[in-house]
Amino acid sequence: AQTVTQSQPEMSVQEAETVTLSCTYDTSESDYYLFWYKQPPSRQMILVIRQEAYKQQNATENRFSVNFQKAAKSFSLKISDSQLGDAAMYFCAYRSAGGSNYKLTFGKGTLLTVNP
Amino acid sequence: GAVVSQHPSWVICKSGTSVKIECRSLDFQATTMFWYRQFPKQSLMLMATSNEGSKATYEQGVEKDKFLINHASLTLSTLTVTSAHPEDSSFYICSARSGADNYGYTFGSGTRLTVV
Repeated sequence: AQTVTQSQPEMSVQEAETVTLSCTYDTSESDYYLFWYKQPPSRQMILVIRQEAYKQQNATENRFSVNFQKAAKSFSLKISDSQLGDAAMYFCAYRSAGGSNYKLTFGKGTLLTVNP
Repeated sequence: GAVVSQHPSWVICKSGTSVKIECRSLDFQATTMFWYRQFPKQSLMLMATSNEGSKATYEQGVEKDKFLINHASLTLSTLTVTSAHPEDSSFYICSARSGADNYGYTFGSGTRLTVV
């Protein structure tokens, strides 16, 4: 079974600075999808960014970018120019690309605090 | 964008009673619905996966007779917590997947259940 590990239970960053959240995963599959979700205090899950494993280019969405290292099974999230609204719990998630199993496997999450 | 409406947002019930949580996809057909449970400051734990018109597939350790899932239509899925007890108190989240989008998941806003 696949596992997703987020080794940083909590992180903090100063407003306007850059922070990187770590995620590693374990899988024997070659094709899969990786996601970063944000869960603010409202607890609504929001997709931040996603990456297809077959793509070598790292995904970017405005201030959010990933460093996808397939061989190392690493998928870190970089938040640039951090804003107060970025404060949330961040979850890394994995999904197999094959078969009909579409379920997501989540990491334990990293609580990000943004200091003004 | 895709929206999943989850109701109620919070509910308090007496021990021994049953509670139904609804998730409706408002502008797309949810071929697959995932039900999660989340304890405070923890990750999402998948309880079950349901495909429209089929019986739900429960994760190991989840009592299917206690957590009844119905996915009778492409726009509605329900989770019924039967004979609720205080230990069932938690935050429940649904997530819908449309067959048209290979990796799109839309989350409901969650239901906070308190059993007294």
